[in-house]
Order: sequence, then structure tokens, then C-alpha cells
Amino acid sequence: AQKITQTQPGMFVQEKEAVTLDCTYDTSDPSYGLFWYKQPSSGEMIFLIYQGSYDQQNATEGRYSLNFQKARKSANLVISASQLGDSAMYFCAMREAFGNEKLTFGTGTRLTIIP
Amino acid sequence: GAVVSQHPSRVICKSGTSVKIECRSLDFQATTMFWYRQFPKQSLMLMATSNEGSKATYEQGVEKDKFLINHASLTLSTLTVTSAHPEDSSFYICSAPAGGDQPQHFGDGTRLSIL
Repeated sequence: AQKITQTQPGMFVQEKEAVTLDCTYDTSDPSYGLFWYKQPSSGEMIFLIYQGSYDQQNATEGRYSLNFQKARKSANLVISASQLGDSAMYFCAMREAFGNEKLTFGTGTRLTIIP
Repeated sequence: GAVVSQHPSRVICKSGTSVKIECRSLDFQATTMFWYRQFPKQSLMLMATSNEGSKATYEQGVEKDKFLINHASLTLSTLTVTSAHPEDSSFYICSAPAGGDQPQHFGDGTRLSIL
């Protein structure tokens, strides 16, 4: 089974609108962390937001927030007031406590912001 | 500024050449570093875990004699693609964990093109 599933290969969103990128995960480890990274066309991986499995509140970082639903094993990224510069690939990733720090990535979502 | 430096950023070379890629942690020590490969329009796939002072741990299906990893110091890991062929052309990117709940720090990646 896939550990990280991103079901949206591509999304088009009007500038200034909010967008939700889906991510579901699968793990039997009670302690894990979920990350979202942005990868522009230049290739670098830009960390956006982190959610720990024991965190009681949803993580927020500026225009980014994470809709963490533990029972459903989902960790959707919400970008508010989208900007043209948000156009990029977005990857959801998981780090498991027994996984020796390594990250497992989803297949990614290509987000395109339309002016 | 960047906390993980990776170079070269781009390599173009002939088939049969060996290529060395360096990954340095700039202001922290990294006993573990990770090497990923990313084919166009695909996700990051973990190739191996580089361990300071000991042998690297390779993921299933990755040829250890093809992709030599050396982690001789707490700030430097190198990946050498030996006798590279066109099918080795890809984007290679390293990362180093900062520990705890901190996100992994990624290098900017190396785009390898074998002619």
C-alpha cells in the first residue's frame, strides 16, 4: 500500500482564491510527522509546513495551513489568497519514528495559478 | 541562507564517465544524509541513507556498486555515479535531518545529463 497518496496530479486555481491540496497517509506508527514541500521548476525543495502526530492543533505558517484529520489519516494543505508565485509542484511527505528520519514522498500535485 | 550546499548544480558528460556529487551541511553536523533521485514529472525516490563513518544503507533496487556513497565527515557526503549511462540521467538531491521536529534541509539538487 502507498504510504502517502496525493490524488490530484494537477490543479488550476484563479489567483487570490484559496486552494486545498489533498494528502492521505498510511502508517501503523503512533509517532510520525507530516511535511509539505514546494518544488518550483528550478528544482529546490522548499519546506512549507509541519504537523506532528501528537499536535493538538492544526499547523499554520502564514498563508499555509494544514487540515489535519488524524482519524481519516489526512493532512491536506490549504493555501489562502493564492499568488502567481505559488505555481509549482507540491509534495506531501511523512517521517515515521521507526523510519530512521527518512521521508516518504507522495507523487505530488502540480499547482498552476491563473491570473 | 542555505544550510545544505550541493554541487555541482548541473553536469553534462559522456557515457562511461563517473560523476561525483557533493552534499555539505553548512552550519550543523549531520551523521545521516539522504540521497534521492527524481525523474521528470515524478516524485523523489530515496536511493540510500548515508551514514557518517559506516556503510551507506541502500534502498531495494539501487545498485550500490553503481552509486557509491561516502560520508567521511560530519558535514560531507558524496554520491559517485560510476560509469554513467543515459538511463542514469536524472535530478539527484540530498538532504540532511536537523533532528527533532525540524524539517529536513535539502540541497538545491544536481541535474545530471549523460549523452
